[in-house]
Amino acid sequence: GENVEQHPSTLSVQEGDSAVIKCTYSDSASNYFPWYKQELGKRPQLIIDIRSNVGEKKDQRIAVTLNKTAKHFSLHITETQPEDSAVYFCAASSAGGTSYGKLTFGQGTILTVHP
Amino acid sequence: EAGVAQSPRYKIIEKRQSVAFWCNPISGHATLYWYQQILGQGPKLLIQFQNNGVVDDSQLPKDRFSAERLKGVDSTLKIQPAKLEDSAVYLCASSLVYAGGLNEQFFGPGTRLTVL
Repeated sequence: GENVEQHPSTLSVQEGDSAVIKCTYSDSASNYFPWYKQELGKRPQLIIDIRSNVGEKKDQRIAVTLNKTAKHFSLHITETQPEDSAVYFCAASSAGGTSYGKLTFGQGTILTVHP
Repeated sequence: EAGVAQSPRYKIIEKRQSVAFWCNPISGHATLYWYQQILGQGPKLLIQFQNNGVVDDSQLPKDRFSAERLKGVDSTLKIQPAKLEDSAVYLCASSLVYAGGLNEQFFGPGTRLTVL
C-alpha cells in the first residue's frame, strides 16, 4: 500500500519568513495530493491540492509543487503570519486497483510562526 | 451548506466497555470515511463507504470495530470492547463522488475518545 513520509515534524519561523514542508510517497499510481491544515482541537481543513497532471499550483501565499519522477511534493508558505501556526498534513491518493481514492496521510508538521 | 456532523464530541469510557459514534455527512455526498487520529499522528483510514457499501475496511480491527451506513446517509462506528490504545479522535469525512480518486474530503469535528 501507499506510504507517505513528511518532514520536518516541527518547523519554527519568524513572521514574514517562508516555510517549506516536504513529503514523499511510495505508490507511483498516486495522482491526487491534498494538504490539510489542522488547528488545535479542530477538524482538518483542505488548504490546497494538486493533481498529477500539474507540476505546480499557487493560491495567494500558498503553493504546492509536485515531482512525479522523484515521487515528492512540497508545500510552500510565503510571508508567514502567526495565524498560519497549526499542524499541516500532506496526503496522497491513488485511483488505481482497490484503493478507491483512499487518502494516506503523512505524520504531520507542527508549524509555529513567531511574531 | 452544512458541514459534516458528528456526535458525541467527547466520550470517556472504561476499558472493555462499548461505545458508538455517529456521523451525518454533507447532503449528497456518496462517499463516507471513518478515520482514527492518535495524538501526534496523521489520520488513518478505518473504513470507507460508497453509498451503503463498504469499499475499503482493510485497516479496521474487525474483532472489535464495526461500522454501518444504512440507507447510504448516516453512519455509526462502534467499538466493543474498547482497549486503552483506542484512545484517539475519530474523524468522519465525506466526499461528493468518487471520480477516479480525485476527491476532496470534508471532515467533521471529530469525537475525542478516552479509554481509562
